[in-house]
Amino acid sequence: DAKTTQPNSMESNEEEPVHLPCNHSTISGTDYIHWYRQLPSQGPEYVIHGLTSNVNNRMASLAIAEDRKSSTLILHRATLRDAAVYYCIPHTGGSEKLVFGKGMKLTVNP
Amino acid sequence: NAGVTQTPKFQVLKTGQSMTLQCAQDMNHNSMYWYRQDPGMGLRLIYYSASEGTTDKGEVPNGYNVSRLNKREFSLRLESAAPSQTSVYFCASSEALAGYYEQYFGPGTRLTVT
Repeated sequence: DAKTTQPNSMESNEEEPVHLPCNHSTISGTDYIHWYRQLPSQGPEYVIHGLTSNVNNRMASLAIAEDRKSSTLILHRATLRDAAVYYCIPHTGGSEKLVFGKGMKLTVNP
Repeated sequence: NAGVTQTPKFQVLKTGQSMTLQCAQDMNHNSMYWYRQDPGMGLRLIYYSASEGTTDKGEVPNGYNVSRLNKREFSLRLESAAPSQTSVYFCASSEALAGYYEQYFGPGTRLTVT
C-alpha cells in the first residue's frame, strides 16, 4: 500500500475555505485517492475520491497534483460540523481493503 | 434506510469472557468489514467478507472469529477476551462502484475488557 503523509492537525475559522494536504509519493498509477472523515464519536464517512482529474461533490473538492504524488481536499466554507479527523487513503481499484492511517485532526474555530 | 447498525453500543467484559458483536446492513451490499480503533489511532482491519459465504483476514485477525450469516449480517466473536482487545469496533459495508469501493460505517461498539 502507498504511504501517506498528512499534518497531525490544522485549524481553520468558520466560513473560511480550508485546504487539507496529503502527500502520497509512492502511489501507483491505478490507485484511487480516497478521503474519509470521522466526526467525534462516530464511524468514518466517505467524503470524495479521484484518480487523475480534480473532482467536486456536494461536500468538498479534491485537487490532485499532475504527478499524483500529492492531493488537497478543499472545504470551500468550513462549518463547525466539519471539525473531524480526515483520512487520505490511496486505494487500489478493485481491492476490498482500505488502509487508514492516523489521519489529520481539523479544528474549526467559531 | 437504517444503513449499518451495530449492537451492542457499549460492553464491558472480564478477561476470558466471550461475546459476539452483531452488524447488519440494509443496503444490499456484498462486502462487509470489521475494524478496530484504539485511542488516537486510525482504523485497522480485522476481517472482511467479499460476499456471502466468504471471509478473509485483515491486518489484525488474531483473537477474533467472524461469521457472514447471510448477505445482511456479519458478526465478530471474541472467544476469550483480553485487555488488549479494549477498543472501539466498527462494522462497514460496501459495494463496488466502477472499480472502487465506498464504505459505509456503523456507529461503533465501545468494548472494555478488564
